[in-house]
Amino acid sequence: QVHLQESGPGLVEPSGTLSLTCNVSGASISLFYWSWIRQPAGKRREWIGRIFGSGTTNYNPSFEHRVTMTVDTSKNQLSLTLTPVTAADTAVYYCARGQQGFSGIYDSWGQGTLVTV
Amino acid sequence: EVVLTQSPATLSLSPGERATLSCRASQSVITHLAWYQHKPGHSPRLLIYEASTRATGVPARFSGSGSGTDFTLTISSLEPEDFAVYFCQHRASWPYTFGHGTKLEIK
Repeated sequence: QVHLQESGPGLVEPSGTLSLTCNVSGASISLFYWSWIRQPAGKRREWIGRIFGSGTTNYNPSFEHRVTMTVDTSKNQLSLTLTPVTAADTAVYYCARGQQGFSGIYDSWGQGTLVTV
Repeated sequence: EVVLTQSPATLSLSPGERATLSCRASQSVITHLAWYQHKPGHSPRLLIYEASTRATGVPARFSGSGSGTDFTLTISSLEPEDFAVYFCQHRASWPYTFGHGTKLEIK
């Protein structure tokens, strides 16, 4: 049973850096692709980007110049960095596992973590 | 980018009733559409992918249909645990986008 758990500061100063970690258990990070998805209050979810276990990334153009995703296979962990941030980046941030064989389908999600800017 | 519009925003039904939820795309996504269920305090759960394929462990009362721009999620007979938010997502092109969601509430 795969389990994903997001963690990081719940409060970030405007113009600062949002840094989140997703700890993965029950699955090897290197065998899947992973995404970060966020949902601002009252708005639809937004796909931020994806990262393969190899470290290859694809980002939503809306975030292209502000976002970095990495994987740490030794810790079985993902990370998300977004900088600089504004109030518009206040949202619940989720990490999710991509379903093998299908690009863009997410079969496991974390519970999400609220970040307030 | 593709805009997904879900309707209704809220659906009030009783256990045992049939639920029909709609997701309309601003341009064709072929059949590259998924449905998820999200309950408060829980992680979102994949229900349906490629418009009509049930994910592992999803009960048969959940079914998906549609292609192109119009998609439907049907719950044939509502169980108490089915009351939740349902959202759709496409993977036809980048960036992947999501619908606003439909809240299915107990009448």
